[in-house]
Amino acid sequence: DTEVTQTPKHLVMGMTNKKSLKCEQHMGHRAMYWYKQKAKKPPELMFVYSYEKLSINESVPSRFSPECPNSSLLNLHLHALQPEDSALYLCASSQGTNTDTQYFGPGTRLTVL
Amino acid sequence: TQLLEQSPQFLSIQEGENLTVYCNSSSVFSSLQWYRQEPGEGPVLLVTVVTGGEVKKLKRLTFQFGDARKDSSLHITAAQPGDTGLYLCAGAHPIDYKLSFGAGTTVTVRA
Repeated sequence: DTEVTQTPKHLVMGMTNKKSLKCEQHMGHRAMYWYKQKAKKPPELMFVYSYEKLSINESVPSRFSPECPNSSLLNLHLHALQPEDSALYLCASSQGTNTDTQYFGPGTRLTVL
Repeated sequence: TQLLEQSPQFLSIQEGENLTVYCNSSSVFSSLQWYRQEPGEGPVLLVTVVTGGEVKKLKRLTFQFGDARKDSSLHITAAQPGDTGLYLCAGAHPIDYKLSFGAGTTVTVRA
């Protein structure tokens, strides 16, 4: 089983809203990732969690706040987003950050009005 | 940042034809992954190649990793409409294992 799940599938929010994206995997992977993908572009790395600790933040604005409650769950808290933040947000996981293969979830399509 | 140049950007072929997608870099990768992505969905892993010179086959798909681990190719034989999608290569950096993605190849197979 190489499944990463993400909820919600679609999200529409105003610039003053607070919302959260959720990601879950039950493969025993110890590294989890958030990516942002714009249309017709490759995914761009945002955050990396390794063993439930934030190991990489790719200079992401503070209006995006990641959280890793346990080894199976990864959240992305959103607050005061801008319309240009509209994108497909992808979660991925791998056995460890020093193992290469990342498995992606289906993504959350976010629209900021 | 290690750059991966992926080509071609677009590929439109008739059902039954063959196609090849290339990923090239001047840098060495510890491994390279190929993904296929449908619109609005996440990338689905097709294969990971690790060893220089490695060739992997999945039914009609053949993946090759260059001897120097700087380049890779994906070859599809007798393409079918179900092969339509965005194909992404992603190389893992030897030191921090972050993935560098190619720009993607949009493949359209016409029935």
